[in-house]
Amino acid sequence: EPEVTQTPSHQVTQMGQEVILRCVPISNHLYFYWYRQILGQKVEFLVSFYNNEISEKSEIFDDQFSVERPDGSNFTLKIRSTKLEDSAMYFCASSDPPGHEQYFGPGTRLTVT
Amino acid sequence: DQQVKQNSPSLSVQEGRISILNCDYTNSMFDYFLWYKKYPAEGPTFLISISSIKDKNEDGRFTVFLNKSAKHLSLHIVPSQPGDSAVYFCAASAYNQGGKLIFGQGTELSVKP
Repeated sequence: EPEVTQTPSHQVTQMGQEVILRCVPISNHLYFYWYRQILGQKVEFLVSFYNNEISEKSEIFDDQFSVERPDGSNFTLKIRSTKLEDSAMYFCASSDPPGHEQYFGPGTRLTVT
Repeated sequence: DQQVKQNSPSLSVQEGRISILNCDYTNSMFDYFLWYKKYPAEGPTFLISISSIKDKNEDGRFTVFLNKSAKHLSLHIVPSQPGDSAVYFCAASAYNQGGKLIFGQGTELSVKP
């Protein structure tokens, strides 16, 4: 069964450093998403991406965040200068069509110290 | 901004009985609703969904009911099994919002043998 994969599973970084979280969506899906879940809180939408463009982004997704689909399989989330409050689980998801069933990866736990 | 609410943080049910998880929403633009199951340190797993043009959708032991006038949906699990113990999230999307899912806070279901 096709699945979304994410690497790394756990990333520890120092405040102010750049991190790149990687995702491989399900191969025939065209819509890609990033969500995050701070410990004990709900899953929050960050950004959606289609046809090499951002289609929607939340207030959380400020200038420190960017997304890219560098090739036909990977989808990345970059945080330019991490803050302590960026510590969370980051989930990638993909779907086709949009707004319907989204399939999530296992997540990357980001710890900013 | 709590557009999707799950008011019960936890629910305990005996094996074999029915589990009923509830979810309320406020945004009348939502037109698709989903339930996800989540284990600790894993990504959300899609369970079942329903379009706003329907009031019921069934898949095996799982049934989702939608009451649009009350802006309420529920997930019924019959019969409940110990393996169903997890956190259940309801989520909603609107066709004009890039496919983003808005999640509730989750309900932790414990099914006791």
